[in-house]
Amino acid sequence: NAGVTQTPKFQVLKTGQSMTLQCAQDMNHNSMYWYRQDPGMGLRLIYYSASEGTTDKGEVPNGYNVSRLNKREFSLRLESAAPSQTSVYFCASSELGDPTFSYEQYFGPGTRLTVT
Amino acid sequence: QKEVEQNSGPLSVPEGAIASLNCTYSDRGSQSFFWYRQYSGKSPELIMSIYSNGDKEDGRFTAQLNKASQYVSLLIRDSQPSDSATYLCAVNLGSARQLTFGSGTQLTVLP
Repeated sequence: NAGVTQTPKFQVLKTGQSMTLQCAQDMNHNSMYWYRQDPGMGLRLIYYSASEGTTDKGEVPNGYNVSRLNKREFSLRLESAAPSQTSVYFCASSELGDPTFSYEQYFGPGTRLTVT
Repeated sequence: QKEVEQNSGPLSVPEGAIASLNCTYSDRGSQSFFWYRQYSGKSPELIMSIYSNGDKEDGRFTAQLNKASQYVSLLIRDSQPSDSATYLCAVNLGSARQLTFGSGTQLTVLP
């Protein structure tokens, strides 16, 4: 069991370039998440997918798009990268909770993105 | 106002001592509470989940939840240098399926 995997591990982009971060999980979880982590800011939710076929905005969605490709895969796209998107990006997955209850989330190893 | 707040830290304790990490949250309706450990340069790793008032013990770790006071804590007994990390508190605030994370408390265990 690999758990949650992410590619790439590191990426350097120039302002205005686009890229897609890939995430896959083999735990048969229904829900998947994308976070960014900046120094002193903790983890902030960008987008999440409660179940296959659905996606919802989190706290900081501007400048990002997502695709839930199937139950296993959830990708994050930066259409026109900006220096403010320099961050560490984590994907996570969990069982599907109900609207008032959350299950444990398990994280991938992260992608370190620098935009110059 | 932050919705999930943790001790600003950093926190230093000697090896063998009890480390106490605290977290308060804003929404009284929250039902799911988690503690994650994050080593420098690594991803968050789940160490405890708690859903009911009271204490939950797992090895050297004890999570304590008091919903009336909107407070959750993590105690680490017999702290080891390998416990040195940032500890993140996460809460599902109110009716949200997603988690809100605190900004973390950096713990250093001194040999």
